Amino acid sequence: DAGVIQSPRHEVTEMGQEVTLRCKPISGHNSLFWYRQTMMRGLELLIYFNNNVPIDDSGMPEDRFSAKMPNASFSTLKIQPSEPRDSAVYFCASSTDDRGGQPQHFGDGTRLSIL
Amino acid sequence: AQSVAQPEDQVNVAEGNPLTVKCTYSVSGNPYLFWYVQYPNRGLQFLLKYITGDNLVKGSYGFEAEFNKSQTSFHLKKPSALVSDSALYFCAVRDGSGYALNFGKGTSLLVTP
Repeated sequence: DAGVIQSPRHEVTEMGQEVTLRCKPISGHNSLFWYRQTMMRGLELLIYFNNNVPIDDSGMPEDRFSAKMPNASFSTLKIQPSEPRDSAVYFCASSTDDRGGQPQHFGDGTRLSIL
Repeated sequence: AQSVAQPEDQVNVAEGNPLTVKCTYSVSGNPYLFWYVQYPNRGLQFLLKYITGDNLVKGSYGFEAEFNKSQTSFHLKKPSALVSDSALYFCAVRDGSGYALNFGKGTSLLVTP
């Protein structure tokens, strides 16, 4: 049973470059979440999609960040231009239920390092 | 507003002993409470949840948690710890009408042989 799949697992790039992170949610899940994890700030919700529509993007740090979900099986998080302070682990999670008690299922994350 | 506090950055316990990882919460409506575990270089894995019903909730890998409404707590417990339980544990809360999970800062559990 495939879980949430994220790619790449690791990304190292130079400041100013565009970075694209990818996520394939679990089939049948209608809610998708992007999180960022750092030692200083812990887990932060960046954006939430329901049925492919962005519902809450208030956690997106600034205009350099954008996210899309063109269909139910794929989402991207893009950073352009990237900065060293964007270095973090980015997680994608999906669930079947946006307001009930179903748990979110997490991918293994993308470890992003901006030099 | 909703929030979670995990007062301990690290918990150390000897293998075979009982373990407790503490969590308190604040939420305006009825709380939906979750525990997740994170192993190195992996995503968060769901352990258990409390939505309604019995205050003692049983989950994966022998873990359980006790919901205490008067103390607004949801402590994670296991009767006998294993070395393989060593990991980072996160408590999370959302209210019944919302979708966003608020995570605690995490508690690092170290089980020594």
